[in-house]
Amino acid sequence: DQQVKQNSPSLSVQEGRISILNCDYTNSMFDYFLWYKKYPAEGPTFLISISSIKDKNEDGRFTVFLNKSAKHLSLHIVPSQPGDSAVYFCAATGSGNTGKLIFGQGTTLQVKP
Amino acid sequence: DAGVIQSPRHEVTEMGQEVTLRCKPISGHNSLFWYRQTMMRGLELLIYFNNNVPIDDSGMPEDRFSAKMPNASFSTLKIQPSEPRDSAVYFCASTDRSVAALHEQFFGPGTRLTVL
Repeated sequence: DQQVKQNSPSLSVQEGRISILNCDYTNSMFDYFLWYKKYPAEGPTFLISISSIKDKNEDGRFTVFLNKSAKHLSLHIVPSQPGDSAVYFCAATGSGNTGKLIFGQGTTLQVKP
Repeated sequence: DAGVIQSPRHEVTEMGQEVTLRCKPISGHNSLFWYRQTMMRGLELLIYFNNNVPIDDSGMPEDRFSAKMPNASFSTLKIQPSEPRDSAVYFCASTDRSVAALHEQFFGPGTRLTVL
């Protein structure tokens, strides 16, 4: 059973427009969420995170929104740039800080010039 | 500062052969994770260690998979015997759990395994 789901395998947007990547989770014990970005032939790198005590966290062009009642989070990239083209993974972890992250399947974002 | 180091970067082997993947975590990190990336399931956690002790190996697919962490600076993931369905990219990641609030993990570049 996939506890973290990214239902869109791919997304294509025009440079300068907004990219919205979505993620759903099923485990109500998750209380911390992260987004990772992965370029080809490289390992994933941390992008942005949010705690369940917040509903929004912003870092430059990247904003993550959390809707706990819907068990849904989204990553907004504004404005999108060609260098943002990558695979984006959503991840979640629960209280107790075991350190274990549960990842989604990933969404491939293509930003067209 | 060196990141997580994995070797080899690419491995091509024949079905039935033993495969050993290696990982050196970031110095000072006390947690190490092995993941497998596939198209269908994304990043799957196979096993993780805290202070060199295996904590959760529920993601290890079969007895053919085993992992060890003999010391704080080295871990191996072994597949014996390997099968074509094991073909994937295997990532190692590490983190410092003493920084409790962050949860961020640092990933190596991965090993692309192809089993023919």
